[in-house]
Amino acid sequence: GAVVSQHPSWVICKSGTSVKIECRSLDFQATTMFWYRQFPKQSLMLMATSNEGSKATYEQGVEKDKFLINHASLTLSTLTVTSAHPEDSSFYICSAPGTGAYEQYFGPGTRLTVT
Amino acid sequence: AQKITQTQPGMFVQEKEAVTLDCTYDTSDQSYGLFWYKQPSSGEMIFLIYQGSYDEQNATEGRYSLNFQKARKSANLVISASQLGDSAMYFCAMREGRDDKIIFGKGTRLHILP
Repeated sequence: GAVVSQHPSWVICKSGTSVKIECRSLDFQATTMFWYRQFPKQSLMLMATSNEGSKATYEQGVEKDKFLINHASLTLSTLTVTSAHPEDSSFYICSAPGTGAYEQYFGPGTRLTVT
Repeated sequence: AQKITQTQPGMFVQEKEAVTLDCTYDTSDQSYGLFWYKQPSSGEMIFLIYQGSYDEQNATEGRYSLNFQKARKSANLVISASQLGDSAMYFCAMREGRDDKIIFGKGTRLHILP
């Protein structure tokens, strides 16, 4: 089946620094990718829709200037957490839809810890 | 208002028993899709089963079946003959209309007891 990878799988950074997370579709092209955030013992919350070649669409309440999304190619979307703070510590997961109605391929996730 | 409601935060079930995880949804679209995912402690999202709104028969995938009751807007997951490896977090999710994004419920943590 289709594969989505994320890099890094985990990252620790200091408060105030920026962190970039990559999401790649390995064997298919993805014009759209989705970014989710999951706090411990909670659900996946959709943050934004990443669109290849155009601006991302952010969900209500998500700061677009803090969570920068770039979708420069059909196989790569990046999420940059700018000026990270401890409250940004979370599990970030990306996904990309396939061609079938039931197809949605998730990356393995990136665990971000901000100290 | 929540689009996906899972009312069972946690469940304990004896191994080999069947278990039903509840899910109700809210949408005004005629075309939508319903998903169930399993998330073990590793964090990966494992697709279990899908039901399209126009599918007349309940979806089944091995030990998983989806009890789809459209009029009640419910899409419960049934796991038959539960196994210790079924212990995980289970999420019900929905995709509406022509949108590709998937919205998740709060999840149910399932514990299978030996």
